Amino acid sequence: NAGVTQTPKFQVLKTGQSMTLQCAQDMNHEYMSWYRQDPGMGLRLIHYSVGAGITDQGEVPNGYNVSRSTTEDFPLRLLSAAPSQTSVYFCASSSLDSGKNIQYFGAGTRLSVL
Amino acid sequence: AQSVTQLGSHVSVSEGALVLLRCNYSSSVPPYLFWYVQYPNQGLQLLLKYTSAATLVKGINGFEAEFKKSETSFHLTKPSAHMSDAAEYFCAVRFSGSARQLTFGSGTQLTVLP
Repeated sequence: NAGVTQTPKFQVLKTGQSMTLQCAQDMNHEYMSWYRQDPGMGLRLIHYSVGAGITDQGEVPNGYNVSRSTTEDFPLRLLSAAPSQTSVYFCASSSLDSGKNIQYFGAGTRLSVL
Repeated sequence: AQSVTQLGSHVSVSEGALVLLRCNYSSSVPPYLFWYVQYPNQGLQLLLKYTSAATLVKGINGFEAEFKKSETSFHLTKPSAHMSDAAEYFCAVRFSGSARQLTFGSGTQLTVLP
C-alpha cells in the first residue's frame, strides 16, 4: 500500500517558470489537500478537494491552481513561479467517512525558485 | 479567527526527562485535535488524535495528550524522553464546520540532550 505519493521530491525553478507538483493516493480517499511548510509558520493550506470535480481555496491559494479529474490524483500547478513560493509542499488525503478523521501525508516536494 | 498556538518554538530536555509540548486553540466548540511528528527531511506522521471520546489520548512511541476543554488546550507529554524523540512536533486542529481542513500550529522543535 503506497499511501500518498508525491513527485518530484526536489525541484529548482527559475522565476517565471511553470511546473506541476504531482500527488496520487491509492486509498480511495475523497478528500485531498495541498499544504506548504515554511520555517516558523507550520503548514498552511493552499487548496483542497472533497471529490472529483470539486476544489476549493485554502488559506494561501494565490499563485497556485488545482484540478481534480480523478479520485486518485490532485496536481498542484504553479503558473509563474516566484521566489516567495520557495517552500516544502505536502499533499495529504483523508476519507470523508465519519469517524475516519486522519489525514495521511506524502513525503513532500522541496521547491526552490531562483 | 480560529487559530492554533504552540508555545515554545524550541524545547530542549535531557534524555529520560519529561517532555511537555504545549498547544492551545481558539474555538468555543470542541474541535478534533491531532499531534503530528516530523523527522528531518520526512513527511508528517500522526502521533495521536482526540475525537471527542476519552480526554486522555494515548499515541505511538509512548506519547499521550490530554484534552482540557476549560483551558482549550491539548498538551503533548511523554514521561521519559529518548534520543529518537528529537524531531519537530505539530499540533493540528480540525475546527467545526470544515470538511477535513487542518489548521496547524507553528511547530515545536524538540531537542533531546544526552
